[in-house]
Amino acid sequence: AQSVSQHNHHVILSEAASLELGCNYSYGGTVNLFWYVQYPGQHLQLLLKYFSGDPLVKGIKGFEAEFIKSKFSFNLRKPSVQWSDTAEYFCAVISNAGNMLTFGGGTRLMVKP
Amino acid sequence: GAGVSQSPSNKVTEKGKDVELRCDPISGHTALYWYRQSLGQGLEFLIYFQGNSAPDKSGLPSDRFSAERTGGSVSTLTIQRTQQEDSAVYLCASSLARVSYEQYFGPGTRLTVT
Repeated sequence: AQSVSQHNHHVILSEAASLELGCNYSYGGTVNLFWYVQYPGQHLQLLLKYFSGDPLVKGIKGFEAEFIKSKFSFNLRKPSVQWSDTAEYFCAVISNAGNMLTFGGGTRLMVKP
Repeated sequence: GAGVSQSPSNKVTEKGKDVELRCDPISGHTALYWYRQSLGQGLEFLIYFQGNSAPDKSGLPSDRFSAERTGGSVSTLTIQRTQQEDSAVYLCASSLARVSYEQYFGPGTRLTVT
């Protein structure tokens, strides 16, 4: 069975700081990878996704993530965070043979103005 | 266009009662998913519908949980004899087709069992 680990449960940053959120998954086959964001009081929204091709993917709002197959990782990055990035971030994986997303436990990011 | 909608947004029920949660997927989306988001368990898959195929019920936590999808569109998740551990936010998502894998989530129904 596939699983996803997000090592940082809570992250506090000041505005303009750089962000990197870790995500590791366990699955032996081909996977598709996602980062979702949940802003306070809002529903889950897709930030970015990786299906194939260039392992460095760019998403909305200046976010990017890099798929490193050898490390089973898909870390999320942003060079300069803003107060409006305060949210909970979820890494998720789905295998080509699977039917459902498997989510990590989420990382709560607080950006101090 | 319209996104995934869910109703009710909040539901408070007494232990032992049955509840029904509704999901309206994005028009034209053939795949529909139910997930549960709770403090202790994070986001968990419950059930998946794809077109007219038999649903994947592998995530349902007990036989008190069931779901239907009528006419390939609206879905209802039913929880019978609710227990306090059923308290959670129930999320519905839909996608254009299984192969696209990009799922769009609704706002969820917050269920509180007292």
